[in-house]
Amino acid sequence: AQKITQTQPGMFVQEKEAVTLDCTYDTSDQSYGLFWYKQPSSGEMIFLIYQGSYDEQNATEGRYSLNFQKARKSANLVISASQLGDSAMYFCAMREGHGSARQLTFGSGTQLTVLP
Amino acid sequence: ETGVTQTPRHLVMGMTNKKSLKCEQHLGHNAMYWYKQSAKKPLELMFVYNFKEQTENNSVPSRFSPECPNSSHLFLHLHTLQPEDSALYLCASSQTVGDGSNQPQHFGDGTRLSIL
Repeated sequence: AQKITQTQPGMFVQEKEAVTLDCTYDTSDQSYGLFWYKQPSSGEMIFLIYQGSYDEQNATEGRYSLNFQKARKSANLVISASQLGDSAMYFCAMREGHGSARQLTFGSGTQLTVLP
Repeated sequence: ETGVTQTPRHLVMGMTNKKSLKCEQHLGHNAMYWYKQSAKKPLELMFVYNFKEQTENNSVPSRFSPECPNSSHLFLHLHTLQPEDSALYLCASSQTVGDGSNQPQHFGDGTRLSIL
């Protein structure tokens, strides 16, 4: 079973509007972390925001916020006031609390296009 | 200036060639990672190094050979690659592997590899 599911291969949003990118995850661990990354066409993966499983408040970083619903195992990224430079691939990732490697597991990504 | 530098940015090689990818991080991190990103597939973790010791090898074929001489440098030696190995290879680093589930991995720009 997939550990990270991003059901939206592509999304379009009008400039200055808000957009929500969906992410659901699957884990039996109590301690885990959820990350969102942005990948422009240049290839670099840019860390955006982090949410810990024990964090009671939703994480926010500037125009990015994470809508964390633990019971539903969802961690949707909300981008407010979209800008043209937000056009990129967005990846949701999870690090579970077990194992020596504590590796990140990535979803398949959502291609966001911001329209002028 | 990015904290994780990868060279070269682009590489075209024949199946019988030997080449190496280089990654250098300037963030004082102790863990380094190699990922493979193929078209329309999630990022695949290849190798993990923690304090220069390899802690993870995700069933990567032996034609990929990693080397980590110190915590700041990571190499991926390539030999007798196949066309399906064409992909974006991303290097990442983080403070550590074992603890700190909230520590993000910082990525380089990647090397886009094409096998003829």
